[in-house]
Amino acid sequence: DTAVSQTPKYLVTQMGNDKSIKCEQNLGHDTMYWYKQDSKKFLKIMFSYNNKELIINETVPNRFSPKSPDKAHLNLHINSLELGDSAVYFCASSQFHSGHYGYTFGSGTRLTVV
Amino acid sequence: DQQVKQNSPSLSVQEGRISILNCDYTNSMFDYFLWYKKYPAEGPTFLISISSIKDKNEDGRFTVFLNKSAKHLSLHIVPSQPGDSAVYFCAASVGSWGKLQFGAGTQVVVTP
Repeated sequence: DTAVSQTPKYLVTQMGNDKSIKCEQNLGHDTMYWYKQDSKKFLKIMFSYNNKELIINETVPNRFSPKSPDKAHLNLHINSLELGDSAVYFCASSQFHSGHYGYTFGSGTRLTVV
Repeated sequence: DQQVKQNSPSLSVQEGRISILNCDYTNSMFDYFLWYKKYPAEGPTFLISISSIKDKNEDGRFTVFLNKSAKHLSLHIVPSQPGDSAVYFCAASVGSWGKLQFGAGTQVVVTP
């Protein structure tokens, strides 16, 4: 009965590979997000989708491409992985007008690029 | 251009005492502030929030204070309990559903 689930939980891969992280929410929320927690522990928003439409697209490399097949899913595909992409990636969801107290985060995907 | 700063990376407090976590921000447009709590291997969970029209919000053992002139907010936990040991993130946004900016977190350890 996990509300926001991310897979995989851990991902170790070589530089130059392409990988995807999947996220699904069963809360009926209409907005989903990807956050990156870097080595300095800051959580920074990368993307946000509302009803499958991209509404926030921060300055991230073009190698990162989110895909939302429906409002319950927001996947993150990363091409040509680099060492600096190593981080913990969190998916989150909310009901757009419920405010931030309605945010629910997944448990994170720890990506290690070697 | 980190707009939300938590300058204390860690805090150790005895069980039963008060924990005080501090957060500073630089963007005067922020009008909605939140605290999130994070346990290892889990995502952050919402703890308490405050809007800029208030200077205090209380929820059980947790109280958030906002000092707009100083661009400073703090979270008080009293009394502290072992289950409060976690990382606490301060976050801010423009509007209650604007883009969230997070601080780097403060690791709280509550000792018996």
